Amino acid sequence: DIQLTQSPSFLSASVGDRVTITCRASQGISSDLAWYQQKPGRAPKLLIYAASTLQSGVPSRFSGSGSGTEFTLTISSLQPEDFATFYCQQLNTYPWTFGQGTKVEIK
Amino acid sequence: EVQLLESGGGLVQPGGSLRLSCAASGFPFRSYGMNWVRQAPGKGLEWVSYITYSSSGSFYADSVKGRFTISRDNSKNTLYLQMNSLRVEDTALYYCASCTGGSCYYYGLDVWGQGTTVTVS
Repeated sequence: DIQLTQSPSFLSASVGDRVTITCRASQGISSDLAWYQQKPGRAPKLLIYAASTLQSGVPSRFSGSGSGTEFTLTISSLQPEDFATFYCQQLNTYPWTFGQGTKVEIK
Repeated sequence: EVQLLESGGGLVQPGGSLRLSCAASGFPFRSYGMNWVRQAPGKGLEWVSYITYSSSGSFYADSVKGRFTISRDNSKNTLYLQMNSLRVEDTALYYCASCTGGSCYYYGLDVWGQGTTVTVS
């Protein structure tokens, strides 16, 4: 199975900060990677698909990049509503897998 | 409005069975692949299973293979998850999720229900 390792697992940041989360795959997955945001008590929300394509309705401060084994999710200027847990998911090879999550909290 | 509504969760003893349902509305259910994703209390997301739009293919996480069966009834706009030989570690909130953008591998899981809770104890 393909393992996804996110770093960091926990991040403390301030409003306005630029935030970068990394997702590394144990083998190449082309660009078959999605990013999700989950707030407490809520279902996950798709942010990015195909590694770098912004889902409709998602603010442009979110961006994704990478291919192969290394991917990043960047929030250019952290907003109060962005504090949440973020997950990457590979959809290249069954079984599809998620990273362990990165929790972004207010500093 | 695009909506997924899960049901069927509950408390079951280890070794027991449960069938989850996910009713879809607001989009052409028969045209898109569907998934089950679970989240144990306080833990991360775990992909469980995927079924193609036509039921021609189904895929499972190693942790549930041979015990869970995904199926769908396109005439009823409903997705199912039959769970047998349940274990304590299957305790989780179970979400159904669709890929209405197109192929899941490219467009990701873009519509999610609110989940149904399964407790094995």
